Parts: sequence; structure tokens; C-alpha cells
Amino acid sequence: NAGVMQNPRHLVRRRGQEARLRCSPMKGHSHVYWYRQLPEEGLKFMVYLQKENIIDESGMPKERFSAEFPKEGPSILRIQQVVRGDSAAYFCASSPTYQETQYFGPGTRLLVL
Amino acid sequence: DQQVKQNSPSLSVQEGRISILNCDYTNSMFDYFLWYKKYPAEGPTFLISISSIKDKNEDGRFTVFLNKSAKHLSLHIVPSQPGDSAVYFCAARDNFGNEKLTFGTGTRLTIIP
Repeated sequence: NAGVMQNPRHLVRRRGQEARLRCSPMKGHSHVYWYRQLPEEGLKFMVYLQKENIIDESGMPKERFSAEFPKEGPSILRIQQVVRGDSAAYFCASSPTYQETQYFGPGTRLLVL
Repeated sequence: DQQVKQNSPSLSVQEGRISILNCDYTNSMFDYFLWYKKYPAEGPTFLISISSIKDKNEDGRFTVFLNKSAKHLSLHIVPSQPGDSAVYFCAARDNFGNEKLTFGTGTRLTIIP
């Protein structure tokens, strides 16, 4: 049973470009979570999605960031007009249902030049 | 406001001895706690969890203790092995039905052969 898949593993963007991060949850998991880890910090919650629905986006910056989890295909975290402060590791996690353990993917390391 | 605190950034323990990692929290609404282990350039790996209705949970070499009155939990690893060298994160979830996890800043554990 494959774990949570994230791609790309590394992404380099110049300021003002767009970054798209993809996450495929574990088989049988329909709940997806995105977290961000800045250097020397813990993981910070960004958004929680179920298929075609955003359930909790309380951790998402108000501008430039969006997330989706379509009926078919992976979850996408999209960052428009990236700035240097967006450089971080972005982790996706999934769980089979509510109140279950979240299992994490390997992360995407975004570097903004 | 850091609601989950891991006050020791690093810890070194001799192989074969007990490793004790500590975590404090301030939010009395937290009712479920997890420990994750993280190697460099990888995602967090789930280790063990505990519900607030318990004060201890064991899984092999790993035991988590919860002291609700002190808002403190600890992870014991015994005996410690070289492969346990990693960063350990404590995480908590509240009882309002929120799925998001609040993480501490991590403790880097080094096992000395």
C-alpha cells in the first residue's frame, strides 16, 4: 500500500511565478491536510480538504494561496506570485476519515529566488 | 502564541539507555496527542498517540505519558537505538471537532553509539 505521494519533491521558482504542489493521498483516504514548515520551526496547519470540499482553511494566508481536492486526481496547493518568504517545506497528510491519524508525505521543498 | 511547546531543542542519549522527550501545552481544549519522528528531507512518521481519557499508552519500545493537570506529556524510548536519531515532534488536536494538528517546534534526538 503506497504512502502519501507528493510531487515535485523540490521546486525552484523566481519571485512572481506560480508554484503548484501536488498530493496524492494514501489509497482509501479521502481527507487531505496541508502543512508548512519554515526553517527551524514546527509544522503549521494550512488547510483541510475532503473530495471537492474545503473544510477548514483557517491556516491559509488570505492572498495568493489556494487549495483544491477534485473528485478525480490529486490535491493541489497553488501559490501565485511567490515571494521569498514562501520558501519552506510543504507537507501533505491524509487520513481515512474523521478523527483518525494523519499520515504524511515526504514534502515539497519550495525555494523562491 | 505557541500552544504546544518542546523546550529542549536537542537531546543526546547513550545507546541502550532511556530517551525521554517532553512536551507542554497551554490549550486545555486539546484532547488527543501524537508523536511524530522526522528524518532530514523526509516527512513526519507517526509513532504513537494518546487520548486524554488515558494517562499512558505503550507500543513496543515507545511509551507516551500524559499528565492532564500539568498539561504535560512525555515520550519514553527504551532501549534507545542509533536509528532513533531524528527530530521528534509533539502534536495536539482539540475537542471541537477540528482536524488540524498543532505542532511543537521539535526536539533533535541523537543516540550516541
